[in-house]
Amino acid sequence: GDSVTQMEGPVTLSEEAFLTINCTYTATGYPSLFWYVQYPGEGLQLLLKATKADDKGSNKGFEATYRKETTSFHLEKGSVQVSDSAVYFCALSGGGGADGLTFGKGTHLIIQP
Amino acid sequence: DTGVSQDPRHKITKRGQNVTFRCDPISEHNRLYWYRQTLGQGPEFLTYFQNEAQLEKSRLLSDRFSAERPKGSFSTLEIQRTEQGDSAMYLCASRPVGGRAHEQYFGPGTRLTVT
Repeated sequence: GDSVTQMEGPVTLSEEAFLTINCTYTATGYPSLFWYVQYPGEGLQLLLKATKADDKGSNKGFEATYRKETTSFHLEKGSVQVSDSAVYFCALSGGGGADGLTFGKGTHLIIQP
Repeated sequence: DTGVSQDPRHKITKRGQNVTFRCDPISEHNRLYWYRQTLGQGPEFLTYFQNEAQLEKSRLLSDRFSAERPKGSFSTLEIQRTEQGDSAMYLCASRPVGGRAHEQYFGPGTRLTVT
């Protein structure tokens, strides 16, 4: 079945540092790929998405590129802020025709001032 | 507020009791999903509806779990004879059919604690 693997946390960075959170996937067909974010005490929010190979999703300074050849969708941000502290989930949908999202385990990001 | 809402936000119950959760999706969203999230894990898909029809159920959805969406609007998730292993956050999400591919909007969740 479909699966998503993302780097384990917590990841601790200083403010203004460069961020990469790795995500790789296994899926049949042509899935859509997503990054969701969960801020403390809040629900899951869609951060960005990409629906086909080589698409780049971007939002709030975050970017991720759908790499079919490496089955990856790594999340990057050039300069993180304390307010980016949250749990980030990589997810896919539609790989084998299934409609539910398949999530990774999440990466807890801590940004220190 | 036009987002997905869930009720209650927290539920504490004793083992063996039945519990029911409610989800109100975003208006006119045809598809409604239920997920379960345990501590330190990502959400796991349980089931989804298109309008009132339940189209897919995960193997995680044991016989003690039942979900309904009788009028194609709100949905309920019932757990019978709760067990301690049912303790988790239960998330609801919705999306329109034909909307941006597979993008789902999540509610705040119902946290269940079984003692």
